[in-house]
Amino acid sequence: DIQMTQSPSSLSASVGDRVSITCRASENIGSYLNWFQQKPGKAPNLLIYGASSLQSGVPSRFSGSGSGTDFTLTISSLQPEDFATYYCQQAYNNPRTFGQGTKVEIK
Amino acid sequence: QVQMVQSGSELKKPGASVKISCKASGYTFSTYAMNWVRQAPGQGLEWMGWINTKSGNPTYAQGFTGRFVFSLDTSGSTAYLQISSLKAEDTAIYYCARYLVRGGYGALDIWGQGTMVTVSS
Repeated sequence: DIQMTQSPSSLSASVGDRVSITCRASENIGSYLNWFQQKPGKAPNLLIYGASSLQSGVPSRFSGSGSGTDFTLTISSLQPEDFATYYCQQAYNNPRTFGQGTKVEIK
Repeated sequence: QVQMVQSGSELKKPGASVKISCKASGYTFSTYAMNWVRQAPGQGLEWMGWINTKSGNPTYAQGFTGRFVFSLDTSGSTAYLQISSLKAEDTAIYYCARYLVRGGYGALDIWGQGTMVTVSS
């Protein structure tokens, strides 16, 4: 199975900050990497697919980059509604493993 | 609009069975595969597997074979997850999610609201 490792596990940031979350795959997955946001008590919400394509309706402050084994989700200017947990998921093969999550908290 | 609506919370005793439904609307059900994802309390997301909504063929992740069954009612645009011989460690929120492929890349783009299953004596 492909292991997905996110870093950091949590971070504290202020509104307006630029925030980056990293996801590393245990083997080459090309650009088959998706990012999700999950708020407490809610289902996950797709932000980025194919490593860098923005899902319809998602604000442009979210961006994704990377290929192969190393990927980054960047929030250019953190907004109050962005405090949540973020997960990466590889869509290269089965099982479609998720990272362990990164919790973004208010500083 | 496109949505998946799941059945309500369940409280079951160890050894019992549960069947969760996921009703899709707003799109042609058989066009997109349906995935299932588990989230234990306070934990991350775990991919359980998927079912081909054209053929009904299921694929299970390791750890979800034997007691877990994916099924369909295509006439009702509904996917089901049945769990038998429930254990305390099955306590979790279970999500269904549509798998959309665009530009060669697939992703879980629409999720149900989740169904909480609690297993307790």
